[in-house]
Amino acid sequence: IQLTQSPSFLSASVGDRVTITCRASQGIDSYLAWYQQKPGRAPILLIYGASTLQRGVPSRFSGSGSGREFTLTISSLQPEDFATYYCQQLDTYPLTFGPGTKVEIK
Amino acid sequence: EVQLVESGGALVQPGRSLRLSCVVAGFTFEDYGMHWVRQGPGKGLEWVSGISWNGGSTGYADSVKGRFTISRDNAKNSLYLQMNSLRPEDTALYYCAKDGYGNHYHYMGVWGKGTTVTVSS
Repeated sequence: IQLTQSPSFLSASVGDRVTITCRASQGIDSYLAWYQQKPGRAPILLIYGASTLQRGVPSRFSGSGSGREFTLTISSLQPEDFATYYCQQLDTYPLTFGPGTKVEIK
Repeated sequence: EVQLVESGGALVQPGRSLRLSCVVAGFTFEDYGMHWVRQGPGKGLEWVSGISWNGGSTGYADSVKGRFTISRDNAKNSLYLQMNSLRPEDTALYYCAKDGYGNHYHYMGVWGKGTTVTVSS
């Protein structure tokens, strides 16, 4: 199962609402997770089951979608949110990640 | 505190073998599936392999199938990745990650810091 993400790069300001889209090559129900990764650090789980917020993750992060199209939304971008975001499908082996979306400061 | 600590990364020549280890603490290892994920220099994340709680089910990325073998020793709280016939494109930071499960959905909730594998002559 192939995953695509759009955009691949996003320039935004603190306080902006940001939306990242992940599309699967075939339906994956809601077996989708989102991760945040900062340079030199391991990824951190943000959302699983397409829309369930991982414990401890700020509520400005939200996820939606099912089937083939999913979105990650950051309602009000904070300085610590500048990072690369990856979606991952956990429906079928081999598991796959999207190519990533880099969010940078405008 | 949940901890995953990878080791075994090294500089190796193409065609050689290497075994990575991941020792865990802070949770009941035998209750959880585990994964290996890698990230090449300047590249994105690539799932490599996964194993069920008892080792009875495994999966591999097409890029490593037939060359890599995942295994675990629940008595030692350890996960392994045996890598044979290494290629330059296997050069990456290799993470181990703990499988999680909630509301019928799996995820990778805890990650180690990674161990670096460089394949070069």
